[in-house]
Amino acid sequence: DGGITQSPKYLFRKEGQNVTLSCEQNLNHDAMYWYRQDPGQGLRLIYYSQIVNDFQKGDIAEGYSVSREKKESFPLTVTSAQKNPTAFYLCASSIGGTATYEQYFGPGTRLTVT
Amino acid sequence: QKEVEQNSGPLSVPEGAIASLNCTYSDRGSQSFFWYRQYSGKSPELIMSIYSNGDKEDGRFTAQLNKASQYVSLLIRDSQPSDSATYLCAVNILTGNQFYFGTGTSLTVIP
Repeated sequence: DGGITQSPKYLFRKEGQNVTLSCEQNLNHDAMYWYRQDPGQGLRLIYYSQIVNDFQKGDIAEGYSVSREKKESFPLTVTSAQKNPTAFYLCASSIGGTATYEQYFGPGTRLTVT
Repeated sequence: QKEVEQNSGPLSVPEGAIASLNCTYSDRGSQSFFWYRQYSGKSPELIMSIYSNGDKEDGRFTAQLNKASQYVSLLIRDSQPSDSATYLCAVNILTGNQFYFGTGTSLTVIP
């Protein structure tokens, strides 16, 4: 089955620790995205990548880092510099390129930092 | 100015009625338009995409796009309790291939 997987589903960390969220897709999509969703709010773009070894900052990149070493993988690291890291994190992918196509989401990771 | 705006609701309709959800966007360069359904605690699920002016129907769902007025809407016919969710409008601007999302409209279908 083609799709996007995120792990873990729930993640708990102590304040001051870095944490890495996994995102893998087998849809052969070029573009991948990370969003954050807070209760009652819309999706806010953290980082996106159009191609391997390249990525761009979104609207709220501060305190986050990413890598795109493989087409199918786009891990997100939430660093200790992120002031309010507790949120629902969503990874998405789309075909990419010069045309616009649908974006599909993984199941999400709910991060709680105390 | 927000890129994509939706009425947050909540919108309540009786079972079997038509639910109408609306969305406006600010960038006239927007190319593609999408509706996602998000159940509480779950990730968004794509339900409709529309790329040109007019109506697009898929089962009980109809998406309507009016680029001149910069709005896109979603009609859900014969609403069912299982349609109760938050509906997110998304717009894709070709430059940078970014997607912009509204904050969503909460829909409740009352049995």
